[in-house]
Amino acid sequence: GDSVTQMEGPVTLSEEAFLTINCTYTATGYPSLFWYVQYPGEGLQLLLKATKADDKGSNKGFEATYRKETTSFHLEKGSVQVSDSAVYFCALRKGSQGNLIFGKGTKLSVKP
Amino acid sequence: DTEVTQTPKHLVMGMTNKKSLKCEQHMGHRAMYWYKQKAKKPPELMFVYSYEKLSINESVPSRFSPECPNSSLLNLHLHALQPEDSALYLCASSLEGGHADTQYFGPGTRLTVL
Repeated sequence: GDSVTQMEGPVTLSEEAFLTINCTYTATGYPSLFWYVQYPGEGLQLLLKATKADDKGSNKGFEATYRKETTSFHLEKGSVQVSDSAVYFCALRKGSQGNLIFGKGTKLSVKP
Repeated sequence: DTEVTQTPKHLVMGMTNKKSLKCEQHMGHRAMYWYKQKAKKPPELMFVYSYEKLSINESVPSRFSPECPNSSLLNLHLHALQPEDSALYLCASSLEGGHADTQYFGPGTRLTVL
């Protein structure tokens, strides 16, 4: 079945460090790919998305490129801030019903 | 406005109680969802409503009963829950439910079953 695999956390970085969170997927067909962020005690917020191969999603300094050849959608940010500390979920969605399938989440902690 | 609201924010209930969770959106979305999220886990889909009709039930126990009274409202009725049902319950909505649609999530209701 369809699935999403994210790198295990937690990830701890110093402020202004470069961030990469790896995400790979297994799916037939052509899913859409998403990154959601969850701050402590809150619901999920869409961070960015890409709906077809080679699309790049970007928002708030975060970027991810839909790579069909490597079935990947890695999240990157050039310079993280303390306020980026949260749990990040990679997800895919396909088909007419479009249910989201989530990875297990990666917790990011950014230290001043 | 991309807001999905959920009430209550927190709920504590006994195993014999009946309670309801409420979700509301005014974005004109026609697909609405209930998810359950246990601590340190990703959300798990429970139900999907499409155009006010239940389209997906992910084999959820009957002690959870969803209802969609109109296109803006989604309820989750709870009855005879178990302590293992304690979790964060998230509501989401999307334009129509297609694979490219973005799902917008509410802040959740944190449920504790005693």
